[in-house]
Amino acid sequence: DQQVKQNSPSLSVQEGRISILNCDYTNSMFDYFLWYKKYPAEGPTFLISISSIKDKNEDGRFTVFLNKSAKHLSLHIVPSQPGDSAVYFCAASAFGNQFYFGTGTSLTVIP
Amino acid sequence: DSGVTQTPKHLITATGQRVTLRCSPRSGDLSVYWYQQSLDQGLQFLIQYYNGEERAKGNILERFSAQQFPDLHSELNLSSLELGDSALYFCASSVDAGVEYNEQFFGPGTRLTVL
Repeated sequence: DQQVKQNSPSLSVQEGRISILNCDYTNSMFDYFLWYKKYPAEGPTFLISISSIKDKNEDGRFTVFLNKSAKHLSLHIVPSQPGDSAVYFCAASAFGNQFYFGTGTSLTVIP
Repeated sequence: DSGVTQTPKHLITATGQRVTLRCSPRSGDLSVYWYQQSLDQGLQFLIQYYNGEERAKGNILERFSAQQFPDLHSELNLSSLELGDSALYFCASSVDAGVEYNEQFFGPGTRLTVL
């Protein structure tokens, strides 16, 4: 039962352009969402989060958008840099309980 | 470097065997989480310990067990191993200082291969 889905296993973007990573969820009780970034041979590292009371959160080049009615969130990276090449996981939680992770999207930023 | 350490990095064993994975959380973190990442799967939450006590349980098989010791390090025990248990096992820690949501810091993972 995959409550958090990332339907695009991979994405390639030219350096300097916008990268948009998408995530869908099924549980309407989720109230907190995060994005993690993972490089090979390393554990995931926290990138950005958003609470369900907001629809946008921005941190430098990274912006997360939340559309609660569509049960959809997206991560925008502008401008994309080669160092952003990694696997990105979205995760969601309800009321401080366990986090449910998506299967990840592998982003390649082409120089 | 997240400050979370996991040993061993790699483990190769045979079906039916038992292994122990070890995790040392970041200094000051009271919570430890275990996750399993199988091929083409997301991170599946297994179990959480907080200050030595089990706090939450996810999709953890009965063949698997964990504990957190007084020095806050944690061990995940996997027994009667099956081929399908081959996966990356991540440990994460968080401070859990009364804040509802705590950022989790992940270790580099242990890659388990069951032959």
